[in-house]
Amino acid sequence: AQTVTQSQPEMSVQEAETVTLSCTYDTSENNYYLFWYKQPPSRQMILVIRQEAYKQQNATENRFSVNFQKAAKSFSLKISDSQLGDTAMYFCAFMKITSGTYKYIFGTGTRLKVLA
Amino acid sequence: NAGVMQNPRHLVRRRGQEARLRCSPMKGHSHVYWYRQLPEEGLKFMVYLQKENIIDESGMPKERFSAEFPKEGPSILRIQQVVRGDSAAYFCASSYATGGVSQPQHFGDGTRLSIL
Repeated sequence: AQTVTQSQPEMSVQEAETVTLSCTYDTSENNYYLFWYKQPPSRQMILVIRQEAYKQQNATENRFSVNFQKAAKSFSLKISDSQLGDTAMYFCAFMKITSGTYKYIFGTGTRLKVLA
Repeated sequence: NAGVMQNPRHLVRRRGQEARLRCSPMKGHSHVYWYRQLPEEGLKFMVYLQKENIIDESGMPKERFSAEFPKEGPSILRIQQVVRGDSAAYFCASSYATGGVSQPQHFGDGTRLSIL
């Protein structure tokens, strides 16, 4: 069974600084997808960034980028120029095809606080 | 273009009552996923449905829980004879087809179920 591990329950970063959230996963699959979702206090689940496992190039979305190391099964999220609005829970998620279904497997989350 | 709509936003039930959670997917989406989030935890997959069909219910408790997605109307997650341990946030997500990176799942705002 697949598992997703986020080893940092809480982190904080000064506004405008850079922070990296770690995520590791365990799978025997070769083809899968990885995601980072943000959950602010409003509880919405907001897609931050996504990566296909077959792509070697790391995904980037504005201030958000990932470091995808397939062999190490690592998928960290880097937030540059942190803003107060980045304060939220961040969940790493794994998705594979299982008999035609695409279901997410989430980590337990990292609570990020951006300090003014 | 309305997003995924879940109602109610909050639901309070006494032990032994029934809880019905509704989810209207985004327009054009025919695939619905239900996830449960216990306090301080990540989301856990429960069930995946297409119109009139349950595709994957591997995450659903065998008793008291059921889900449907009729041809007309919203998807319903039904919990019979609720117990305190059912208290959680229940999220619905929808996708256009079978998901994946090109067609990610879009989440609703969740229903917070509290059992007295």
